[in-house]
Formats: sequence, structure tokens, C-alpha cells
Amino acid sequence: AQKITQTQPGMFVQEKEAVTLDCTYDTSDPSYGLFWYKQPSSGEMIFLIYQGSYDQQNATEGRYSLNFQKARKSANLVISASQLGDSAMYFCAMRVGNTDKLIFGTGTRLQVFP
Amino acid sequence: DARVTQTPRHKVTEMGQEVTMRCQPILGHNTVFWYRQTMMQGLELLAYFRNRAPLDDSGMPKDRFSAEMPDATLATLKIQPSEPRDSAVYFCASGLTGFWSGNTIYFGEGSWLTVV
Repeated sequence: AQKITQTQPGMFVQEKEAVTLDCTYDTSDPSYGLFWYKQPSSGEMIFLIYQGSYDQQNATEGRYSLNFQKARKSANLVISASQLGDSAMYFCAMRVGNTDKLIFGTGTRLQVFP
Repeated sequence: DARVTQTPRHKVTEMGQEVTMRCQPILGHNTVFWYRQTMMQGLELLAYFRNRAPLDDSGMPKDRFSAEMPDATLATLKIQPSEPRDSAVYFCASGLTGFWSGNTIYFGEGSWLTVV
């Protein structure tokens, strides 16, 4: 079965600190892609970062990086130098093989405090 | 700046009324998704299309929901008749087919539906 698990319902971090949001996945298909989306209180879903299963290096996009550990089936999001504007829900998602649909985790609510 | 456009952004309607939500995917994208988000169920895939053909609508209550793509620039999700339990945020997303297309899935801003 294909599944995404986010075990942290909520996380707190102080401004300027780094934070790691956990994501584990389950699939037997060797071809898959992992996504992270941010959903602020305004509700839109904002694409953050992507990692393909064959990518040799961990993906990075500005302050976002993805700690991809294939053997552990984990794809944790690392946000460096947190900002107050990073407070939001964060969703991990997976797309498998040549299926098109994204399977989402339950999300982690991140609160950044001054 | 290409983006997925959804209308209406907000809708309040009475139980029993028909609701139609519209989505304009990003030009060139051949895959369109409809997701529903609620507090209890999180993000659920309702239906998706590839090259305008419906591929999977197993997540959609068939008796009252219907999804169509009359052309490549328009996807619709219709609820008839609407019920209070349909109150949710409905997201449209578009992308390119398949794994090798990578990170090309983008969401619209959502349609916030309240059925009273």
C-alpha cells in the first residue's frame, strides 16, 4: 500500500532556528517523487520542494532542504533560519510511478515564535 | 506567472442547491486534479483527468458529485444537490503526466464552500 506518514501534529521553533519536519513514506515502486507543500492560514497550497527517487543529491530550494534517506524511506523537510512567516501547515506528498495522483500525509502545523 | 485559477473563491449556499466550481489549469498541463480538504479527513482526492479523460473518480460520491473537462482550459466540479457535509475547501491542481515530469503539480487557491 502507498502511504505517507507525518507523525508530528504540531511543532514549535524559535525565530532564526532550524526545524525538521518528519515524513516517512511507503511504496514498493522504485520510481516515485516526494513533494512538500506549505499551507498558510490564508489556505492556498504552495509548492516548496521536490525530490525524485533517482536523484542522487538532496533537493534544496533557498532555506528549504529535503533530507532524503531512501533506505529509511524518509523525506524530512529542513527549514533553516525560521521566520515568523513560516508559521503554517506543512504537507508531505508522494507520487508513484506513472500514476498521476498525489497521496498526502496528515500535515504538521509549525509555529514560529519570536 | 502561470497559475491555476479557481472560481468561486468563496461560496455560501443553501442545502439542496446546485454548486459548480470551475478551474482553469496551467496552459500546457495535461493532468487536472480535484481535491477536497476538511478538518476531519484532510486532503482527499476526488477525481483526476489526464488529457481531459477521467481516470479516477473513486473518491467522489457519485450520487451527487460530477466532474468534467469540457475543454483543455476548463475543469468543473458540480455538486447537486449540496448538503451541509459538503462544506469544505475544494482544490484544483494541474500538472504534467507521470513520474518523469517531476515536480510539475501546482494548486489553485481553493474554493471555500459552505452549505447551510
